[in-house]
Amino acid sequence: GQNIDQPTEMTATEGAIVQINCTYQTSGFNGLFWYQQHAGEAPTFLSYNVLDGLEEKGRFSSFLSRSKGYSYLLLKELQMKDSASYLCALSGAGSYQLTFGKGTKLSVIP
Amino acid sequence: GAVVSQHPSWVICKSGTSVKIECRSLDFQATTMFWYRQFPKQSLMLMATSNEGSKATYEQGVEKDKFLINHASLTLSTLTVTSAHPEDSSFYICSASGLAGVNDEQFFGPGTRLTVL
Repeated sequence: GQNIDQPTEMTATEGAIVQINCTYQTSGFNGLFWYQQHAGEAPTFLSYNVLDGLEEKGRFSSFLSRSKGYSYLLLKELQMKDSASYLCALSGAGSYQLTFGKGTKLSVIP
Repeated sequence: GAVVSQHPSWVICKSGTSVKIECRSLDFQATTMFWYRQFPKQSLMLMATSNEGSKATYEQGVEKDKFLINHASLTLSTLTVTSAHPEDSSFYICSASGLAGVNDEQFFGPGTRLTVL
């Protein structure tokens, strides 16, 4: 089975940097995804990590440590529009299904 | 990028009626489509996985006779909620994956909000 844990809520200031952590336990691993979801909308893909290390994509970066069962999403130069829920999702061994964490609701304040 | 549409975007129905939700991949062929359900302030829960031309695989606890899934073509999957009840009110989201094999990115539809009165 799979278990994913991430903080429920976070608040950060516009222009700042915020790190959203995700820890997981899984019997098999094929990759870790981060999605952004605004209220009432479907998730949108942000990043995908399959190897250890940092993947950078503009203002967003994602890090993975498979040995520690740990990932984080780093958001730089926060904007008000970044207020959303951020979902960590696992793809298990031999499977293309995704298991989602409960999401972290990020509120960006002026 | 790949686009997935859902129709309708929202629906209100009476208890006991059936509702059909369509999920279409507009610019790619989706070999696999996934159906999720999301209750307020909760994460996405996978309901079922469907491959074109074969029966859907349902997650534990999801009634296959209540949530009928048809993946008749590489661009269309439908979810029918039969004899809907108020507890079925939720946000239903589909996603589509275009290539065979693991770890193919899932492209999400915009979701359908179902309210059962």
